[in-house]
Amino acid sequence: DAGVIQSPRHEVTEMGQEVTLRCKPISGHNSLFWYRQTMMRGLELLIYFNNNVPIDDSGMPEDRFSAKMPNASFSTLKIQPSEPRDSAVYFCASRPGRGEGETQYFGPGTRLLVL
Amino acid sequence: AQKITQTQPGMFVQEKEAVTLDCTYDTSDPSYGLFWYKQPSSGEMIFLIYQGSYDQQNATEGRYSLNFQKARKSANLVISASQLGDSAMYFCAMTPTDSWGKLQFGAGTQVVVTP
Repeated sequence: DAGVIQSPRHEVTEMGQEVTLRCKPISGHNSLFWYRQTMMRGLELLIYFNNNVPIDDSGMPEDRFSAKMPNASFSTLKIQPSEPRDSAVYFCASRPGRGEGETQYFGPGTRLLVL
Repeated sequence: AQKITQTQPGMFVQEKEAVTLDCTYDTSDPSYGLFWYKQPSSGEMIFLIYQGSYDQQNATEGRYSLNFQKARKSANLVISASQLGDSAMYFCAMTPTDSWGKLQFGAGTQVVVTP
């Protein structure tokens, strides 16, 4: 079975440009999570969805960041405009449901560099 | 608010030996879940083991076991018979039951297994 798919795997862009990261969760999974990993701040949860509905976006750093999940098989994380401090690895993860003990399965990550 | 502390930034272990990675947490939630993930140099996040706060027995998964001491709020990971492929970053994470999936990660411990 395919795992969580993220694209692109690497993105280099210039400050001020719009960046869109994409995620396809594991089929049948009802929860989707976006994380950011940096050396300074470690792994941070940005936002998560249950059944395509955003549940908690308290980790989204600022209004430049937005996330959508138009259907059960696709989500995007958009940064507009991008800044050098947004450089990080962005992970998407999905989970089967809301049962206790269920783990999250992570995608390979998108490594973003903003110049 | 919950907090995860991993006090060992890095450690060396010899092949075939056991290693214990420390994790302490601070939470006021009565029910929660604890996870360990492995992140090799390739970057992906790999789920290792889960422990629920009400589980009576310590979790085990192959060579991984979790030394859960609820009163001390610690959830140490034990890797037995270390292998070269165990060299990686290891993260402890926690989620409260009432917002399952909202993982908060520790800073991680870098493990290097030597021949």
